[in-house]
Amino acid sequence: NAGVTQTPKFQVLKTGQSMTLQCAQDMNHNSMYWYRQDPGMGLRLIYYSASEGTTDKGEVPNGYNVSRLNKREFSLRLESAAPSQTSVYFCASSERKGGRYGYTFGSGTRLTVV
Amino acid sequence: SQQGEEDPQALSIQEGENATMNCSYKTSINNLQWYRQNSGRGLVHLILIRSNEREKHSGRLRVTLDTSKKSSSLLITASRAADTASYFCATDEDGNNRLAFGKGNQVVVIP
Repeated sequence: NAGVTQTPKFQVLKTGQSMTLQCAQDMNHNSMYWYRQDPGMGLRLIYYSASEGTTDKGEVPNGYNVSRLNKREFSLRLESAAPSQTSVYFCASSERKGGRYGYTFGSGTRLTVV
Repeated sequence: SQQGEEDPQALSIQEGENATMNCSYKTSINNLQWYRQNSGRGLVHLILIRSNEREKHSGRLRVTLDTSKKSSSLLITASRAADTASYFCATDEDGNNRLAFGKGNQVVVIP
């Protein structure tokens, strides 16, 4: 099915470990986003890529890096995981930058840092 | 910071009743969107209303937008157990390149 695919779905890390969350979309969308969702906090934007070759910081970028590998793929890297990064991470894409079109979300990655 | 703020935060209704939830925002917007999130899943786009529109319908959903009050409402008519989910409003703010999401409304529909 067309959409946004995130891997892995679940992950447990030890403090200080690194990992990369993968995201791919097959809708030929230009823009991609990484959000984290915490109880009572709603969704907060970590990084986004308005178009292939560009990335920008969102609301909570500290402790994360991103790579827009090509038009389809946008990865999120935690270099040295901390317990505060325990969260559910969502990748999303949209046809154009900004909010003029609806976003399509992946099913999420549930990350626990111990 | 989160732009949209939904009200009420949690709602429990009987199947067949209508569910109404509100969203307020602070700055000027291009459009406002509503999303649904079922437990353990990603968000699903429901409806988008542009700043020059006042009301929009999609199936059992009705969205209104009052830009003078900076508020929107989402009405789900004849609710079903399958409507049990969290509902988020999101705003496309002037000059930004992304949506700002509210904290969400949890709706429980009792069969």
